[in-house]
Amino acid sequence: AAGVIQSPRHLIKEKRETATLKCYPIPRHDTVYWYQQGPGQDPQFLISFYEKMQSDKGSIPDRFSAQQFSDYHSELNMSSLELGDSALYFCASGLGDQPQHFGDGTRLSIL
Amino acid sequence: QKEVEQDPGPLSVPEGAIVSLNCTYSNSAFQYFMWYRQYSRKGPELLMYTYSSGNKEDGRFTAQVDKSSKYISLFIRDSQPSDSATYLCATRGEGAQKLVFGQGTRLTINP
Repeated sequence: AAGVIQSPRHLIKEKRETATLKCYPIPRHDTVYWYQQGPGQDPQFLISFYEKMQSDKGSIPDRFSAQQFSDYHSELNMSSLELGDSALYFCASGLGDQPQHFGDGTRLSIL
Repeated sequence: QKEVEQDPGPLSVPEGAIVSLNCTYSNSAFQYFMWYRQYSRKGPELLMYTYSSGNKEDGRFTAQVDKSSKYISLFIRDSQPSDSATYLCATRGEGAQKLVFGQGTRLTINP
């Protein structure tokens, strides 16, 4: 079965640079979620989109923005990167009240 | 205080043992309860999904939710070395988008 696809798998950036993470949800899923998981931490919700509209917002810094496109893929844009942004970034997708299914994440390292 | 508390372990048991993993939560509005398994450098993989109180069994896995005590459990029977992973409990409220995770319990099954 198709899963959530995230790219790139690994990304290395320097401070103050920008990064774009991409997510391709499971076909026919109507909601996309973004989470940030720091080392040894549980995933923290950042933002979600339902049918291409922002549906909920969590602890997402103002330096980050996200959108969902007409083909339902989503991108997380991160600017003015800081050392503390180093983390695993997961995208998940879901349909209605069904559970969320996660991709394998993008590991972002800030030097 | 975190909304969902989970003992991070580590927990180490011999192969074939019954494993019990637990979480407590504080928000009585939580209605959906999930267990995810996360292998190193991979995304959380959905194991069990329950709504409200009760038990759910799937193969060697049993999930229990007791809303009166705000306590959720995952039991693994006949544990295998391949079950070695971090197990995350997660929950959300009715109509809510974001998942709230426990810290995760790192489990090792020794052959």
